[in-house]
Amino acid sequence: GAVVSQHPSRVICKSGTSVKIECRSLDFQATTMFWYRQFPKQSLMLMATSNEGSKATYEQGVEKDKFLINHASLTLSTLTVTSAHPEDSSFYICSALNPRQGSETQYFGPGTRLLVL
Amino acid sequence: GQQLNQSPQSMFIQEGEDVSMNCTSSSIFNTWLWYKQDPGEGPVLLIALYKAGELTSNGRLTAQFGITRKDSFLNISASIPSDVGIYFCAGRNTGNQFYFGTGTSLTVIP
Repeated sequence: GAVVSQHPSRVICKSGTSVKIECRSLDFQATTMFWYRQFPKQSLMLMATSNEGSKATYEQGVEKDKFLINHASLTLSTLTVTSAHPEDSSFYICSALNPRQGSETQYFGPGTRLLVL
Repeated sequence: GQQLNQSPQSMFIQEGEDVSMNCTSSSIFNTWLWYKQDPGEGPVLLIALYKAGELTSNGRLTAQFGITRKDSFLNISASIPSDVGIYFCAGRNTGNQFYFGTGTSLTVIP
């Protein structure tokens, strides 16, 4: 199957610090990964599309300087929340398109719970 | 971003009952996906549908890709307590964009 991992699974940080979240496709190469944010009892909110070797595409209203995305290899995308504030506390989930299925199916990571104090 | 119309929003059912939920879109999709999300976890793919009219099963789960390509449904037969969770539909349109449903929260009463 297609496995996507995320690290860390949860992180607590002080306001003003930066936090990096890693998303890895473990058994396939993914040229495209997605980053989502999810609030309690709500659906997934797409933040950005991460493309290997090029700049990420951000959704409207998402600050690219606040949420830095780097997709340096075919198996790794990182999301860095810069100068985190309490309102950035949320559940962040990544997903990857599986090219073995024509890139038509997204496989999700287990998510990262971020708490900013 | 755009979200799909998913219904019902929540369901409370007795163990052993069948469940049905659906998603509709105003535009045509090439792919329909159904996911289940447990609390504090990422969504897990249940069923993927790639052709209009396609009916696919995964154990007690059955999903269909609507013939109009604008809808899909998911059925769960003989529900059990571990079916509890939030179910999301997702669709990929002709522009290769993905959209997600608002989710159906399922509670199974033993």
